[in-house]
Amino acid sequence: SQTIHQWPATLVQPVGSPLSLECTVEGTSNPNLYWYRQAAGRGLQLLFYSVGIGQISSEVPQNLSASRPQDRQFILSSKKLLLSDSGFYLCAWSGLGGEKLFFGSGTQLSVL
Amino acid sequence: SQQGEEDPQALSIQEGENATMNCSYKTSINNLQWYRQNSGRGLVHLILIRSNEREKHSGRLRVTLDTSKKSSSLLITASRAADTASYFCATPPQGGSEKLVFGKGTKLTVNP
Repeated sequence: SQTIHQWPATLVQPVGSPLSLECTVEGTSNPNLYWYRQAAGRGLQLLFYSVGIGQISSEVPQNLSASRPQDRQFILSSKKLLLSDSGFYLCAWSGLGGEKLFFGSGTQLSVL
Repeated sequence: SQQGEEDPQALSIQEGENATMNCSYKTSINNLQWYRQNSGRGLVHLILIRSNEREKHSGRLRVTLDTSKKSSSLLITASRAADTASYFCATPPQGGSEKLVFGKGTKLTVNP
């Protein structure tokens, strides 16, 4: 069966520090991968999605970047965090056709 | 841009009552999906209804879709305290099947 792992669960970082969030999927090949951000009490904002290794589409211009170094690995990064980067980050995957999304458990990021 | 909009933003009911949440969207769709999110957790896919379907059932869940009104409803019958969560509708934007756009969600509280 397929599983998705996302870590860490919580993270507190100072303004200006770098960020690396990692997400891996097991039990499937060539998944579509997604990073979403959810502000407190708000809906989900799609940040990046990837349909293959090295193929990244950015939905929102911002302080973040994403990379997909391996088929089932998706990394969200920042060189210098801003206060506005705080939020709940969710990784997700879908199969071919991209209909149903399967989400990780999320990372609560607080930038202070 | 936001595609789906849930209504109401918050709903509080007693155990055993039915809960109805609505979703309106703006453009033509191939399908509409409902997800559930427990506090501080990732989203879980509940049900997908295609544009050529009018109603779909899954256990205590009933979803309807009215493409002429660009709206959908999620009905949870005989609610339980464990149904307390936020519920989101999601649609793929027109012409793009790889990514889902989520609404802001309805926060449902079921009181025991």
